[in-house]
Amino acid sequence: GQSLEQPSEVTAVEGAIVQINCTYQTSGFYGLSWYQQHDGGAPTFLSYNGLDGLEETGRFSSFLSRSDSYGYLLLQELQMKDSASYFCAVRDLDNFNKFYFGSGTKLNVKP
Amino acid sequence: GAVVSQHPSRVICKSGTSVKIECRSLDFQATTMFWYRQFPKQSLMLMATSNEGSKATYEQGVEKDKFLINHASLTLSTLTVTSAHPEDSSFYICSAGTSGRTDTQYFGPGTRLTVL
Repeated sequence: GQSLEQPSEVTAVEGAIVQINCTYQTSGFYGLSWYQQHDGGAPTFLSYNGLDGLEETGRFSSFLSRSDSYGYLLLQELQMKDSASYFCAVRDLDNFNKFYFGSGTKLNVKP
Repeated sequence: GAVVSQHPSRVICKSGTSVKIECRSLDFQATTMFWYRQFPKQSLMLMATSNEGSKATYEQGVEKDKFLINHASLTLSTLTVTSAHPEDSSFYICSAGTSGRTDTQYFGPGTRLTVL
């Protein structure tokens, strides 16, 4: 099975940089994805790491270290609209049609 | 591209009635769709995987007779909550998965179900 843990809540100010961690215990997965979800809305894809290392997409970057069972999402130049919940997720290696989501991190961006 | 629609966005029904939720991939063919359930301030829990033309695969603990899933075409999957009860009130979200490097899922906007 898969278990992904995230901090429940993070608060930061506009313009700052924030890192949201995801530690996991898995039996194998294809890659680590990150999704953003605003209150009442659907998750939207942000970033994906199939290999170890850093992936950069604009203000968002994501990192994966399989040896450390750890990944993170880095948000730079925070904006008020970044206030949302962020989820890490994996696709099971043994069952391609099975996705597991982390517990989610609520990011509060303050002026 | 990769737009998924879901209908209705919000539904309120009486206990004991059945509710059907539709999930459509608008600009691509989805051989596989996923149905999730999300309680307030909690993560997404996979309920079942819907495959076009075959029976859905349900996660452990999800009653297949209560949550009927039909994937009639490459662009449409439906979830029917039968004999709904207040504990079925939740946010239901469908998604279509993609293969390949990005391993991305594209989510529908979700359906807020309230059972009175």
